[in-house]
Amino acid sequence: AQSVTQLGSHVSVSEGALVLLRCNYSSSVPPYLFWYVQYPNQGLQLLLKYTSAATLVKGINGFEAEFKKSETSFHLTKPSAHMSDAAEYFCAVRPSNSGYALNFGKGTSLLVTP
Amino acid sequence: EPEVTQTPSHQVTQMGQEVILRCVPISNHLYFYWYRQILGQKVEFLVSFYNNEISEKSEIFDDQFSVERPDGSNFTLKIRSTKLEDSAMYFCASRGLRPTGELFFGEGSRLTVL
Repeated sequence: AQSVTQLGSHVSVSEGALVLLRCNYSSSVPPYLFWYVQYPNQGLQLLLKYTSAATLVKGINGFEAEFKKSETSFHLTKPSAHMSDAAEYFCAVRPSNSGYALNFGKGTSLLVTP
Repeated sequence: EPEVTQTPSHQVTQMGQEVILRCVPISNHLYFYWYRQILGQKVEFLVSFYNNEISEKSEIFDDQFSVERPDGSNFTLKIRSTKLEDSAMYFCASRGLRPTGELFFGEGSRLTVL
């Protein structure tokens, strides 16, 4: 079954510092990979997605992620953290030969300190 | 911008009662999903729905659950006889026809079972 593992349930960075949220996937077929963000008391909002085009994917709010097949990773980065980036971040995978479910990781809570 | 809307935003019910959660997906979307998130845990897939039938369901989606698209706009999740462990945030999502399309999520319905 396709799955993702997010390393670190909580990540804390200083404002202006690099953000790195880790995600490793397991998939028997080429996957589609997604990062979603959840702000407090809100739904899930798509940050970016990888669908077998460019391996470096740019998303909203200055986030980007790189698909590395050799490492089975899809880590999320942002060069400079902003206070408004504090939220829960979820990595998700869907096999490219399926029209259906996304499987989510357990999420990483990002805290940004002044 | 089109969005997925869910009602109610919060429902409190007694154990054993029936609950219906409602969703209005984005109008030209064809794939519909329900996910749930128990407090502090990851987002879990429940069921996907396409062409007026269930496409895929998880182990969580047992006989107590059902989904329906009663008209051209609503997509409902029914829990026949609620249990304490059904307390969670329930997210509806929809997707267009493109295989690479992302899921658009509603803001969720919080269900509290007493």
